[in-house]
Amino acid sequence: DIQMTQSPASLSASIGDTVTLTCRASRYIIDYVAWFQQTPGKAPRSLIYGGRNLQRGVPSRFSGTASGTDFTLTITGLQPEDFGTYYCQQYNNYPFTFGPGTRVDVK
Amino acid sequence: EVQLLESGRDLVHVGGSLRLSCRVSGLIFNNFAMSWVRQAPGKGLEWVSTISGSGGDTRYANSVLGRFTISRESHRDMVYLQMNNLRPEDTAVYYCAALHGYSVYEPVDHWGRGALLTVSS
Repeated sequence: DIQMTQSPASLSASIGDTVTLTCRASRYIIDYVAWFQQTPGKAPRSLIYGGRNLQRGVPSRFSGTASGTDFTLTITGLQPEDFGTYYCQQYNNYPFTFGPGTRVDVK
Repeated sequence: EVQLLESGRDLVHVGGSLRLSCRVSGLIFNNFAMSWVRQAPGKGLEWVSTISGSGGDTRYANSVLGRFTISRESHRDMVYLQMNNLRPEDTAVYYCAALHGYSVYEPVDHWGRGALLTVSS
């Protein structure tokens, strides 16, 4: 199985900050990575697919990069509704696997 | 607007069975693969199963293989997860998810609100 790791496990940030979350795959997966946001008590929300493509309705302050095994999600100008946990997932090989998540909370 | 509505929360005993249901609206159902993803209390997301748009291709996590069966009913726009021989570690919120396209090799686009399953010993 492909292992997905995420760093940092958590971070504290302020409104307006730019934050970058990292996800690494244990094998080359081209750009078959998706990013999801989850706020407490809510269902996940799809943000990005194909490493860098925004889902419909996702604000442009979210952006992603992809390089085969290393992936990033950047939030430029953090907003109050952005605090929560972010997960990456690879969909290149079954079983599809998620990273453990990065929690973004208020500094 | 795409909406995915799972069946309500449930409590089942160890070794028991349950079928989760998900009603899909707002998209052409047969054009999209569907998945189930679960989240144990306080834990991260875990992919469980996926079915292609035609229903002809199904995939399962090793942890549920042989116990869970995914299916879909096109004339009702419904997807199901039949769960047998349930274990305490199956306790989780189960999310129904619509994928980006027809194939099982697509990312998740849309999520349901989730249905809580508790397996009690």
